[in-house]
Amino acid sequence: DIQMTQSPSSLSASVGDRVTIICRASQSISIYLNWYQQKPGKAPKLLIYAASSLQSGVPSRFSGSGSGTGFTLTISSLRPEDFATYYCQQSYSTSGLTFGGGTKVEIK
Amino acid sequence: EVQLLESGGGLVQPGGSLRLSCVASGFTFTTYAMSWVRQAPGKGLEWVSGISGTGDSTYYADSVKGRFTISRDNSKNTLYLQMNSLRAEDTAVYYCAKDWITRIRGVPHDAFDVWGQGTMVTVSS
Repeated sequence: DIQMTQSPSSLSASVGDRVTIICRASQSISIYLNWYQQKPGKAPKLLIYAASSLQSGVPSRFSGSGSGTGFTLTISSLRPEDFATYYCQQSYSTSGLTFGGGTKVEIK
Repeated sequence: EVQLLESGGGLVQPGGSLRLSCVASGFTFTTYAMSWVRQAPGKGLEWVSGISGTGDSTYYADSVKGRFTISRDNSKNTLYLQMNSLRAEDTAVYYCAKDWITRIRGVPHDAFDVWGQGTMVTVSS
């Protein structure tokens, strides 16, 4: 299986900060990489698909980049509603989809 | 409105069985592959199993292979997960998710664009 590693596992930030989360794949996955946001007690929500395409309805302060084995999710200016846990997920191997361990974004 | 509604979770003893259901509405169910994703308490997301739109192809994580069976009844817009030989480590919230496929420069890319609210499965004596 393809292993997905996120860093950091948690971070503290203030409203208005620029936040970057890193996701690395154990092998090249081209741009088969998605990002999800999950708030406590809720189902995950798709933010970014195919590494850099913004899902409909998602604010433009969210952006994704990368290809191959290295990817980033950036929040350009953190808002109160963005405090949540973020997961990357590879869709390269459809018979063995895998998620990263998650990054919890907390209020400083 | 596109919606997924899971049911069937509960408390079961180790070695027991449980069948989860996920009823879909608001989209043409047979057109989309579907998956089950779980989340153990305080832990991250783990993909469990997936099935094609027709039901002809199924996929499983190594952790559940041989114990869980995914299926679907397109006439009832319902996805199932039959879970046998349950273990304590199967304790989790189980989500069903719709597999959305889009094309970028002609190449298909998929992601889970719709999720259910989840159903809790607890395996304990």
